[in-house]
Parts: sequence; C-alpha cells; structure tokens
Amino acid sequence: DAKTTQPPSMDCAEGRAANLPCNHSTISGNEYVYWYRQIHSQGPQYIIHGLKNNETNEMASLIITEDRKSSTLILPHATLRDTAVYYCIVRVPGGFYFGTGTSLTVIP
Amino acid sequence: SAVISQKPSRDICQRGTSLTIQCQVDSQVTMMFWYRQQPGQSLTLIATANQGSEATYESGFVIDKFPISRPNLTFSTLTVSNMSPEDSSIYLCSVRLAGNYEQYFGPGTRLTVT
Repeated sequence: DAKTTQPPSMDCAEGRAANLPCNHSTISGNEYVYWYRQIHSQGPQYIIHGLKNNETNEMASLIITEDRKSSTLILPHATLRDTAVYYCIVRVPGGFYFGTGTSLTVIP
Repeated sequence: SAVISQKPSRDICQRGTSLTIQCQVDSQVTMMFWYRQQPGQSLTLIATANQGSEATYESGFVIDKFPISRPNLTFSTLTVSNMSPEDSSIYLCSVRLAGNYEQYFGPGTRLTVT
C-alpha cells in the first residue's frame, strides 16, 4: 500500500489560504489521492479526491504534481471551523489506511 | 451519500465483558468497514465486513477478539470481546457505495473499559 507523509501540524491565519502538503512517492498509476478531515470527536469527513488532474469543489482544491508523488490540499479562505486534523490517503481496494495526518489550527 | 448510525454512542464497560456495536446505513452499500481510533491517535482499519461471509481482518486483529457480522447490505455489528482497558477507543463504522469513490463514516462509539 502506498504510504503518505504529512507534517504533523500547521497554523494558518483566518481568511488566508491554508496549503496542506502530502507526499505519496510510492503511489501507483491507478491509485487515487483522497483528503478527509476530522473535527474533534466526530467521524472523518470527505473533502476531495483526485487521480492525476487538479480538482476543485466547494470546500477545497487539490493540486497533484505531474509525477503524482505529492499533492497539496488548498483551503482558499480558512475559517476557525476549518480547525481539524487533515488526512491524506491513497486509496487501495478495500478500506482506507489513515496516516497520522496534519493538525491544522486556524488562528483568529 | 449515506447516513450512518451507530449504537451505542458511548459505553463504559468492565474488563472481561463484551460489547456489541451496531452500525445501520440508510441505503444498500457494497462495502462496510470497522475502524478503531485510540485516544490521540489516527484511525486504524480493523476489518472489512463481508455480507454473508466471514469478515476480512487486518494484521493485528483477529476474529476471536473482534467478531463481526453483516447479515445484509445495510447492517453490521462489531463485538469487542473480553475487554481490557487497552480496548478503550472510539470505534467507527464506515461504508462505500457502489460506483462511488467516497467512503462515509459513522459518528463513532466511544468505549471506556474500566
């Protein structure tokens, strides 16, 4: 299974863009990159996913490098409610394998 | 999307006893999973609940300790057997819909073993 590496924590000022990096250098050609977040004591929430092209939805943008070995989740205008642990996951058949994630703190 | 409910939402149990956690989904799903999240830790996949057959367990998890049932496409149970304080965790049910790339998570069951 492809392994992901994320920084353990990040801070972001409220209203600014939050850029969360993820390395997945062993990703194979048919594996998708997913991002989830978990707000304290709640179940993980889906944010976005992609294969090779950049993706955008109402929550975030996902930028995947051309070699697919890394990606960046962008929250364009972070709010205090975006404070959470963000998980980058490379999908394999079956359930997701969660890494340690990045704890994002949005600062007023 | 899928709406997932779990029962109980939390429980406090004595060591040596067993607890069965129920997961109910509002639509038929192809895959159901059980996760554990120990205090301050990330989520760990316990097993895939297979309808009509034995669950598929991840390394480090065994059927005797975590028996799983999945009698139909919308329901599954996870039993935590012969509990010890180390089993104190949040247990989460998760599902994937046919043709859907997302995986949805239930609210979790917070278990404390004393």
